[in-house]
Amino acid sequence: DAGITQSPRHKVTETGTPVTLRCHQTENHRYMYWYRQDPGHGLRLIHYSYGVKDTDKGEVSDGYSVSRSKTEDFLLTLESATSSQTSVYFCAIRTSGRFDEQYFGPGTRLTVT
Amino acid sequence: AQRVTQPEKLLSVFKGAPVELKCNYSYSGSPELFWYVQYSRQRLQLLLRHISRESIKGFTADLNKGETSFHLKKPFAQEEDSAMYYCALSGFMDTGRRALTFGSGTRLQVQP
Repeated sequence: DAGITQSPRHKVTETGTPVTLRCHQTENHRYMYWYRQDPGHGLRLIHYSYGVKDTDKGEVSDGYSVSRSKTEDFLLTLESATSSQTSVYFCAIRTSGRFDEQYFGPGTRLTVT
Repeated sequence: AQRVTQPEKLLSVFKGAPVELKCNYSYSGSPELFWYVQYSRQRLQLLLRHISRESIKGFTADLNKGETSFHLKKPFAQEEDSAMYYCALSGFMDTGRRALTFGSGTRLQVQP
């Protein structure tokens, strides 16, 4: 599992509240990613990071922000949660060896009521 | 922009039948393609990558640049193959940085 954990694993929150999801990795990988998984859309990239304090927007970044102050932690924040952000969120790391491939965390199921 | 298309949402076959999960891509550069699998309520796992031309769990996939396809095949399906399968392309975003683009996924159901 490439030492990737996510917390919380499940969360129910109300519309308009801020929510922060945490991705933690233990293997010192430089590249980290946040995706959301929705039926009919597969996985869509929200934000990604190429290192501490180095982040970029992905395909569906509106309404989300990220921070990476330490190599091991990549935080995803929903500034003001909306029902359209109900989804399963996956964090991933990318290895930097011969093959460019990603390994995923267990996911966080977020419900916004 | 890069795009990955998986035209089938659901593929249902009987045990022992051949399986082909379709994947087409659009990318202006030289693509790196992958298949990921997600078993029920588990994390995504890398199944195979085109560059290593390997066979994992009996699955193979060949990159066809002329048809821009990377279909996943298995000659004899097993019940334990039932899962969600995602095709993914690694390419450079507008930012100049590499990221994966996923297809919408195909659910494979293998019936006994």
